[in-house]
Formats: sequence, C-alpha cells, structure tokens
Amino acid sequence: DGGITQSPKYLFRKEGQNVTLSCEQNLNHDAMYWYRQDPGQGLRLIYYSQIVNDFQKGDIAEGYSVSREKKESFPLTVTSAQKNPTAFYLCASSFSSANTEAFFGQGTRLTVV
Amino acid sequence: GENVEQHPSTLSVQEGDSAVIKCTYSDSASNYFPWYKQELGKRPQLIIDIRSNVGEKKDQRIAVTLNKTAKHFSLHITETQPEDSAVYFCAASKYGGSQGNLIFGKGTKLSVKP
Repeated sequence: DGGITQSPKYLFRKEGQNVTLSCEQNLNHDAMYWYRQDPGQGLRLIYYSQIVNDFQKGDIAEGYSVSREKKESFPLTVTSAQKNPTAFYLCASSFSSANTEAFFGQGTRLTVV
Repeated sequence: GENVEQHPSTLSVQEGDSAVIKCTYSDSASNYFPWYKQELGKRPQLIIDIRSNVGEKKDQRIAVTLNKTAKHFSLHITETQPEDSAVYFCAASKYGGSQGNLIFGKGTKLSVKP
C-alpha cells in the first residue's frame, strides 16, 4: 500500500531510553521525511533527506537523530533528550527532482511511560 | 524557514454545500502546494496539488487556487458529501538544487452533516 512501510505500528518505551523507528520504501524515491503529529498541531517536520548520506533538520529536530545510509531506509531515533516524545510519527517519501506527491507510511504511535 | 498558516481549524457544512479552506505561506520561493486528506486512523493522502506556474486547478468537485503575489492558496470542495469528512492539510515546498522540504499547515477538520 504505497510502498512505504513503518514499523512497528505501536511502540512503548520507558522514559530515558532511546528508541528507533523504522521507515523503508521501495518506490525508488530520493527524498524521505519524518513528521510528528500531535492533536491540533498538524504535521511538524523533524528531519528530511534529499539524497543518501545527507539530511537536514526540520522545525523540531531537537531530541531526534536520523541516518540515511541507504536510499530505501530512513530510521528515526527518539533520544532521551526529547522532552515530550509521546506522539504519532509519520514517515513520507517522494521524488526530489520534481514537485511530486509524497507518500506516507501508516505511522508509528510511540508511548513513553 | 517556511511557515504555513491554515484556516479555519474546524469547518462544519451541510451536505451539498461548498467548503473552502485557506492557507498562507511565508517563503516566496516556495513553488509546490499540495493538499492532503487524512481520514480517521489513516495516513494522509494527496487529493490535489498546484505548482507555482498556474493559478487554478480543478479535479471534479475539488479545486485549488493560488495567488503568488499574496502568498495564499485555497482548497474548494463543492457539493460536499459525508465521505468528505476528514482532516485536510495544506503544504508548501521549495524544490531546486539541494533544497527540498515539505511544510504543512495545522490542518482543518471538515465535518459534512447529512
């Protein structure tokens, strides 16, 4: 369904632990994005990457880290420095050479207890 | 960086009426403006988009207009149906060279009453 997969769908972690969210796409897209969705806040950009081995901070990058070692994969690590990590996280991908549709994964709901 | 403002945050209409959602953006270099629909519990999906070289685009009951001078764009849904009920997000992006991000508004929850 759209060729972009996030796992797991639900994730529970204890406070103070780092956690990595997976995002994989088989659409041959250059660009990948991570968003955080909170009620009333819309989709806020955490990080994005246009090409392998390169990524840029979005509006709310503090407390998060990413890597882009492969074109197909863009994992997001939520670190213990993120003050309010409980949220719904969405990954997306698109072609970067033209303005084209971004496809979203199904999302991961992270709950930190 | 780019900032996208979206209004209203909630919108309730009667079935058959029209709905209009408006967005403004801050970066005059933005050149791509998509609209996404997110139904409850599902992922956002593109419903229509417009590029900066056109002022209007229509797809059946959905249309988008763009005013580059004023830096605003709008989504128009005519003859609304209950299945149009969802959260709608506008977005703006700037592509070219090494640039390229996709900034969203905060969303509009549309309710269509039968």
